[in-house]
Amino acid sequence: SQTIHQWPATLVQPVGSPLSLECTVEGTSNPNLYWYRQAAGRGLQLLFYSVGIGQISSEVPQNLSASRPQDRQFILSSKKLLLSDSGFYLCAWSEAAGAFEQFFGPGTRLTVL
Amino acid sequence: QKEVEQDPGPLSVPEGAIVSLNCTYSNSAFQYFMWYRQYSRKGPELLMYTYSSGNKEDGRFTAQVDKSSKYISLFIRDSQPSDSATYLCASSKGGGNKLTFGTGTQLKVEL
Repeated sequence: SQTIHQWPATLVQPVGSPLSLECTVEGTSNPNLYWYRQAAGRGLQLLFYSVGIGQISSEVPQNLSASRPQDRQFILSSKKLLLSDSGFYLCAWSEAAGAFEQFFGPGTRLTVL
Repeated sequence: QKEVEQDPGPLSVPEGAIVSLNCTYSNSAFQYFMWYRQYSRKGPELLMYTYSSGNKEDGRFTAQVDKSSKYISLFIRDSQPSDSATYLCASSKGGGNKLTFGTGTQLKVEL
């Protein structure tokens, strides 16, 4: 069966510090991968998605970036965090072409102070 | 206008009640409709999905889509305290396309 991992689970960072959140998927090959941010009362906002290694599509211009160095690894980064970057970050995967169901990881709660 | 609208609640019901959760959408191209359940501080989990119009039942849960009115519903029968969570509806144009989520409805089932 497939599993998705995210770490860290919780993170508190000062404004202006860098960020690296990691997501890995097990039990599947060549998944589509997604990064979402969930803010209170605002639902899930798609930040990035990837259909393959090195292939990243950005949905929302911001100071975040994503990378996919390996087939089942997805990384969310920032060089300098802003207060507005606080939120609950979720990674999700879906099967490649033809699938619409997405499966989510446990999330990372980021607080920027 | 958001493509998928959902009343944020909170919705509070007594144990055993029938719960009705609803979403509306504006994009006629949406073909797949999903419901996710999210417990506090956890990632969303897929509850069920439907394709186009119609009903789908899974245990105490029934998903209903009316494409003519662009209305999505989730019914929970015999609600339990363990059903207390935020319920997110989502829609997609089809395989390989992105999901568009509603903001979620917070449900509390009280003893």
